[in-house]
Amino acid sequence: QKEVEQNSGPLSVPEGAIASLNCTYSDRVSQSFFWYRQYSGKSPELIMSIYSNGDKEDGRFTAQLNKASQYVSLLIRDSQPSDSATYLCAVKLSFGAGTTVTVRA
Amino acid sequence: DGGITQSPKYLFRKEGQNVTLSCEQNLNHDAMYWYRQDPGQGLRLIYYSQIVNDFQKGDIAEGYSVSREKKESFPLTVTSAQKNPTAFYLCASSIVGVGDNSPLHFGNGTRLTVT
Repeated sequence: QKEVEQNSGPLSVPEGAIASLNCTYSDRVSQSFFWYRQYSGKSPELIMSIYSNGDKEDGRFTAQLNKASQYVSLLIRDSQPSDSATYLCAVKLSFGAGTTVTVRA
Repeated sequence: DGGITQSPKYLFRKEGQNVTLSCEQNLNHDAMYWYRQDPGQGLRLIYYSQIVNDFQKGDIAEGYSVSREKKESFPLTVTSAQKNPTAFYLCASSIVGVGDNSPLHFGNGTRLTVT
């Protein structure tokens, strides 16, 4: 089993819709969870970090963490074409394979 | 401006040659990391270092070597023993080391092509 697994994608959503990204992890004692955005050909950039159960909101982004289910998700509300990128879930230093999101204008 | 500088952006080498990728940071971060990214496989950890003169193997260290002689610098050497060296290499740093809650800050990457 991979340490961090993401829903495979690609995910295509219309402009203005909600994009929902999911991630599961295997290490039960993990304490730090991150979402990074990576545009094609560029390096990843941090968009959200979450450390405790529940929701964390930052602008149009909401991260949700459920440690009992070993599950972390990212919601992108009011999706914009500029949100088209690959989103990487990371648990400490382990990364998922990423989910590519395309927002259709 | 603080940041992480990786050079060069593109690197081409012949098979059998060692090559060194540069990574310098002026963020005063303690920990530095090297990742490799292949299409569809996310990031895989090669080596990391929490303090000067100390470093640890990551998940895919075979065929690579590193040094950490200065806090600001963490060069990666891709040796001829690395079977599939062509990849996008990313250097990162964080405030403190492995096991804490600090996110990673990434450089712009070096795209290595070996033929």
